[in-house]
Amino acid sequence: AQTVTQSQPEMSVQEAETVTLSCTYDTSESDYYLFWYKQPPSRQMILVIRQEAYKQQNATENRFSVNFQKAAKSFSLKISDSQLGDAAMYFCAYDYGGATNKLIFGTGTLLAVQP
Amino acid sequence: DTAVSQTPKYLVTQMGNDKSIKCEQNLGHDTMYWYKQDSKKFLKIMFSYNNKELIINETVPNRFSPKSPDKAHLNLHINSLELGDSAVYFCASSQGLHGAGPTETQYFGPGTRLLVL
Repeated sequence: AQTVTQSQPEMSVQEAETVTLSCTYDTSESDYYLFWYKQPPSRQMILVIRQEAYKQQNATENRFSVNFQKAAKSFSLKISDSQLGDAAMYFCAYDYGGATNKLIFGTGTLLAVQP
Repeated sequence: DTAVSQTPKYLVTQMGNDKSIKCEQNLGHDTMYWYKQDSKKFLKIMFSYNNKELIINETVPNRFSPKSPDKAHLNLHINSLELGDSAVYFCASSQGLHGAGPTETQYFGPGTRLLVL
């Protein structure tokens, strides 16, 4: 069964600094998607970034980038130049697709940004 | 324009009551989902529908019954509410057909916070 693990329940970063959130997953599939979602206190689930497993190049979206290590089944999120608005719960998620598309989520990392 | 909308946003009710949560998406997506987020923030899939057809039912009690009148709507009806049903329920949608490999990105609604007293 596919599982997603986020080993950091809470993280803290100073404004303008860089922080990396960790995520590992377990799967026997070769083709899948990985996602990072952000959930601020408003509780809206917001897509931050996604990575296709067949792509070797790491995805980047402005200040957000990932370090995707397929062999190690690792998918970390790097936030550069952290801003107060980045404070939120961050969820790593995996999607295999196939006949039953569904997102499998990690337990989340609560990120605090200190001014 | 809201892409995925849910009503109501808050729902407070007594044990034993029956309630419904509605979801609508205007993205033209084929697939819609219900997720449950518990008090520890853990998110888990409950159901998915593709073009009005039930695809996933993740061992959810049969007190929960999803209904999809058309591919833009997926409602969740809950009978005989229990204290343990208190949670945030998210609707989501994505493009793409089941069986065609990994799905396109899922877009989430704002969530419905259900509190059962």
